[in-house]
Amino acid sequence: GAVVSQHPSWVICKSGTSVKIECRSLDFQATTMFWYRQFPKQSLMLMATSNEGSKATYEQGVEKDKFLINHASLTLSTLTVTSAHPEDSSFYICSARDPDRPIQETQYFGPGTRLLVL
Amino acid sequence: GIQVEQSPPDLILQEGANSTLRCNFSDSVNNLQWFHQNPWGQLINLFYIPSGTKQNGRLSATTVATERYSLLYISSSQTTDSGVYFCAVTTSYDKVIFGPGTSLSVIP
Repeated sequence: GAVVSQHPSWVICKSGTSVKIECRSLDFQATTMFWYRQFPKQSLMLMATSNEGSKATYEQGVEKDKFLINHASLTLSTLTVTSAHPEDSSFYICSARDPDRPIQETQYFGPGTRLLVL
Repeated sequence: GIQVEQSPPDLILQEGANSTLRCNFSDSVNNLQWFHQNPWGQLINLFYIPSGTKQNGRLSATTVATERYSLLYISSSQTTDSGVYFCAVTTSYDKVIFGPGTSLSVIP
């Protein structure tokens, strides 16, 4: 149980285009999902917290107009990188909270999406 | 915000050797996790360990919450243990903050 999927697993796009990444909780309903970004040889950095039915909360320094987050259902959150540039190339990972599990075990991580902007 | 430090940043082991990875954090936390990130990027949860000691096969972890540190022990290392090990703490706002990681290479 507690599986989180991401789609696509990798994507290559041209500079200036927009890319949408999906994060799904497959066997539980996730009231909260989190989006992380990881540059090569670096750690994961939290970008934003996505709550179902409400606006996402962005971390300091993350442009909300560039990284659009939509959590339209209890099993799906999407991250859209708008007008992507080469510096947006990164590994994007989502996690989802299972509210039915103990608080210390509620976050499950997806396999990540590698984005390369040419 | 909470600062998370890990040491050493890089570690090279001969297969069969033991190692200890350390995680220090600057404030009290609700939870602490150890992850192994494999070469494909997948995060594999090793331990949820806000305090105390846990063991799982060749791996064990100890967290001393009052002193704000955690240790991950790897015994009889294998080449498949290679990868990056992250310590991550959960704050009172339910945010997970990752440390910088320890990159482990186990050579035959």
